[in-house]
Amino acid sequence: AIQVTQSPSSLSASVGDRVTITCRISQGIRNDLGWYQQRPGKAPKLLIYATSILQNGVPSRFSGSGSGTDFTLTISSLQPEDFATYYCLHDFSYPLSFGGGTTVEIK
Amino acid sequence: EVQLAESGGGLVQPGGSLRLSCAGSQFTFSSYWMSWVRQAPGKGLEWVANIKHDGSEKYYVDSVKGRFAISRDNAKNSVYLQMNSLRAEDTAVYYCARAEDGYYYYMDVWGKGTTVTVSS
Repeated sequence: AIQVTQSPSSLSASVGDRVTITCRISQGIRNDLGWYQQRPGKAPKLLIYATSILQNGVPSRFSGSGSGTDFTLTISSLQPEDFATYYCLHDFSYPLSFGGGTTVEIK
Repeated sequence: EVQLAESGGGLVQPGGSLRLSCAGSQFTFSSYWMSWVRQAPGKGLEWVANIKHDGSEKYYVDSVKGRFAISRDNAKNSVYLQMNSLRAEDTAVYYCARAEDGYYYYMDVWGKGTTVTVSS
């Protein structure tokens, strides 16, 4: 099965900061990766799919990049509502798997 | 509003069974793949199972193969997860999600989740 390693597991940042989260995949997956946001006690929310396509209604401060084995989620200017946990998900082949998550906390 | 609503969670003893349901509304249910994703207490997300629009393809994470079965009834706009031989490590919030699996794959609509606790 494909392994997904997400880093960092947590980070502290301030409103207005630029934040970068990385997922490294154990084999090449073309651009078959998405990003999800989960606020405490809530269901996950789709942010980005196919590495870089922004889901309808998601603010443009979120962006995704990468290909092959290394992928990045960037929040260009952190807002108060962005403090949450973020997960990548590869969909290259079954079984699908999520990264371990990155919790973005207020500094 | 497009919605998914899970039900059927609860407390069950190790070795027991439980059937989760997920009802969709305000979208053409039969046009979408459906997924189950779970989250153990304090842990990350884990994909569990997918089922194709017509039920002809089903996929599972290795840890539930042979114990869990995903199914759907498009006439009832519902997807199910039959869980047998439950273990303590199956304790989690179980989410159903609508999945698009055409040129791109993504899970764009999620339910609020139902809690399964496996304990004696």
